[in-house]
Amino acid sequence: KQEVTQIPAALSVPEGENLVLNCSFTDSAIYNLQWFRQDPGKGLTSLLLIQSSQREQTSGRLNASLDKSSGRSTLYIAASQPGDSATYLCAVHRGGGTSGSRLTFGEGTQLTVNP
Amino acid sequence: DARVTQTPRDKVTEMGQEVTMRCQPILGHNTVFWYRQTMKQGLELLAYFRNRAPLDDSGMPKDRFSAEMPDATLATLKIQPSEPRDSAVYFCASGSEGRELFFGEGSRLTVL
Repeated sequence: KQEVTQIPAALSVPEGENLVLNCSFTDSAIYNLQWFRQDPGKGLTSLLLIQSSQREQTSGRLNASLDKSSGRSTLYIAASQPGDSATYLCAVHRGGGTSGSRLTFGEGTQLTVNP
Repeated sequence: DARVTQTPRDKVTEMGQEVTMRCQPILGHNTVFWYRQTMKQGLELLAYFRNRAPLDDSGMPKDRFSAEMPDATLATLKIQPSEPRDSAVYFCASGSEGRELFFGEGSRLTVL
């Protein structure tokens, strides 16, 4: 059974700092990995999707890496801003087949960026 | 701007009442998921449809929960009878098989 762990559970940084959020998973037979952001009282917003054949994806100040063999992914946020404050979740996507595909979520990292 | 639409956004009801939550997936997506989120359990998968066919509902209490897709534009999650422990935020998500998943804003359910 796939298990996804995110460390740290909470992180507080001053504005402008570069930071790294970590995600680890137990079963390396994944189809892809997706990072989400969730603001309080809101749904999940997709940030980046990395296919299993890729090593990294970038979008603006965000960079996500994937190391399938070691079961790890990182989300790097450059020059953090107060607006980046949210909970960040990673989700590992098991491949298709007769049982279908599904995402297994980590418990998230709650990020606070202080002005 | 395509998005997953969920109704109601908030629902307060009394124990024993029937609750129906609705979801309109993004047009063209062939997979639909129902998730439940609580502080204690995080995000739990309740049901998963592909091409409107239920593929996995093992995470759903079968005695009181049911999920259906009467057509490609509507997915429903019904709880009958509701209990206080069902209080949570229920999310619908849609995507194309193996690709990026898009979530709705959620339906916050409170059962008194």
